[in-house]
Amino acid sequence: DAGVTQSPTHLIKTRGQHVTLRCSPISGHKSVSWYQQVLGQGPQFIFQYYEKEERGRGNFPDRFSARQFPNYSSELNVNALLLGDSALYLCASGLRTGPNTEAFFGQGTRLTVV
Amino acid sequence: AQSVTQLGSHVSVSEGALVLLRCNYSSSVPPYLFWYVQYPNQGLQLLLKYTTGATLVKGINGFEAEFKKSETSFHLTKPSAHMSDAAEYFCAVRGATQGGSEKLVFGKGMKLTVNP
Repeated sequence: DAGVTQSPTHLIKTRGQHVTLRCSPISGHKSVSWYQQVLGQGPQFIFQYYEKEERGRGNFPDRFSARQFPNYSSELNVNALLLGDSALYLCASGLRTGPNTEAFFGQGTRLTVV
Repeated sequence: AQSVTQLGSHVSVSEGALVLLRCNYSSSVPPYLFWYVQYPNQGLQLLLKYTTGATLVKGINGFEAEFKKSETSFHLTKPSAHMSDAAEYFCAVRGATQGGSEKLVFGKGMKLTVNP
């Protein structure tokens, strides 16, 4: 079975531009979470979606938004890119929510803002 | 709020030596604790987790961790390091979101180098 797939794997954007990152969860998984990993740091929680509803949001500005589609795939959108948005963006999927739900991570999208 | 502390950023061991990666947590509720490994240009892979029950948890690739409530610690160990263990290791604790769901709160990570 395919794991969590993210696209694109790498991209370069200019300050002020907009970017859309995509995530396809493992088949049957209904929960998708997004994390930002800046170089040299641990991942930071951005969003969680479950059954197409936002269930959690981290301490990120409103330039960051996301949504989940009926097929449970998800998009992360970032507007007005800043140099500090350069990071590895990780998507994780889970069967459901709940403390015993294991999160399975994709390989990430490496975003570079110049 | 939950948090995790991984002191230091880099550990170097010889092949065959003991691996010890330290993690201390803070949690206002009984913690769910995790160790993840990240190889270069890869996502995160779950090594092991503690939820409830046995405090000594065994994971993949010969790693294990012991939950010590009195010390608020969840240190990761492996008796004999292998070259393939070279990677970055993250300790994490389950936290709550404002929407009543869960998130992972990660430490800053520890890069493990294994010398031949």
